[in-house]
Amino acid sequence: AQSVTQLGSHVSVSEGALVLLRCNYSSSVPPYLFWYVQYPNQGLQLLLKYTSAATLVKGINGFEAEFKKSETSFHLTKPSAHMSDAAEYFCAVIGNNDMRFGAGTRLTVKP
Amino acid sequence: DAGVTQSPTHLIKTRGQHVTLRCSPISGHKSVSWYQQVLGQGPQFIFQYYEKEERGRGNFPDRFSARQFPNYSSELNVNALLLGDSALYLCASSLGHRNSYEQYFGPGTRLTVT
Repeated sequence: AQSVTQLGSHVSVSEGALVLLRCNYSSSVPPYLFWYVQYPNQGLQLLLKYTSAATLVKGINGFEAEFKKSETSFHLTKPSAHMSDAAEYFCAVIGNNDMRFGAGTRLTVKP
Repeated sequence: DAGVTQSPTHLIKTRGQHVTLRCSPISGHKSVSWYQQVLGQGPQFIFQYYEKEERGRGNFPDRFSARQFPNYSSELNVNALLLGDSALYLCASSLGHRNSYEQYFGPGTRLTVT
């Protein structure tokens, strides 16, 4: 069964520093993988998606993620953190008829 | 274009009552999915509907039910509310039910059961 695991429930970085949010997946078939962001009291906004077209996926707001089959990973990165990036980030994989989410990683950006 | 809309935004109910939550998908989208997000956790899948038929059901009790209307809008019903049903309920729409279609989420309905 398809699933994702997010490593680290809380990540803190300084403004301007590299952001790295980790996600590992488990899937018996080539997976469709997603990263979503959730700001307080809001719904989920799609950052980017992987659907096997290219292993390096660029998303909105300067985020990108690289699909690594050998490591079963789909980590999210951004070269330089901004204060507005502070939010909850969710990795997700498509299951049979549903989308399965990780537990989330809360990103804090320090000035 | 309008995104996914949900109503109401907030709701307070008492244990034992029932609740109906509503969702309107993005124009042209025929699939609607419902998720429950308990505070501090990722969303959990409840239902998926496509062309008014149930296409998937998560691990939720029969107190949870849903339907989709001819205009593709959807309702989620929860009977005999429990304190543990307090959560953010998210609706997502997509073009179809196939795995390649990405889902667009609404702002959610915050349900508090007292």
